[in-house]
Amino acid sequence: DAGVIQSPRHEVTEMGQEVTLRCKPISGHNSLFWYRQTMMRGLELLIYFNNNVPIDDSGMPEDRFSAKMPNASFSTLKIQPSEPRDSAVYFCASSPGGGQGLYSNQPQHFGDGTRLSIL
Amino acid sequence: TQLLEQSPQFLSIQEGENLTVYCNSSSVFSSLQWYRQEPGEGPVLLVTVVTGGEVKKLKRLTFQFGDARKDSSLHITAAQPGDTGLYLCAGAGNYGQNFVFGPGTRLSVLP
Repeated sequence: DAGVIQSPRHEVTEMGQEVTLRCKPISGHNSLFWYRQTMMRGLELLIYFNNNVPIDDSGMPEDRFSAKMPNASFSTLKIQPSEPRDSAVYFCASSPGGGQGLYSNQPQHFGDGTRLSIL
Repeated sequence: TQLLEQSPQFLSIQEGENLTVYCNSSSVFSSLQWYRQEPGEGPVLLVTVVTGGEVKKLKRLTFQFGDARKDSSLHITAAQPGDTGLYLCAGAGNYGQNFVFGPGTRLSVLP
């Protein structure tokens, strides 16, 4: 049974470049989450989708960040232009239920993350 | 804004010792989850607690949700090197607020 699949596992690029992170959630899961993890700020929720619709993007740091979920099996997180302070591990997670709020007792299944370094 | 605090931030113990880590907030949570994260991997769910005062056991791990649903503890009996990792608590507020993660407790169990 495949878990959440993220690609690439590692990305090193120069500041100003566009970065696209990809995620394939677990089949049948209704909710998808993008998180960012750093030593200073811990694990932060950036955005989450329910049934492919963005529900809350209040955690997206600024307009340079955008996320899409064109279908139930694929999502992207894009940073354009990238900056050194965007360096972090980015995680995607999926959940069988609503995943937030009233449905918060649903488990979230995380991918192994993308380690992003912006030089 | 709800915040979760975890203590201690770091813990290094010898194999066979017992330990307790804590997750605290000034807010009430509708439910709380504990995750363990190993280097290079994403967090993995250990348990979800929902009812105030609830106690759940997972082999050598015992999880408790506070009566007021503002805090939780994780107790590990006879720790093993395989227990090494970052332990994260996470919860959602009582009124449908979004999920938040605590900063984590980084545990190292030495053989």
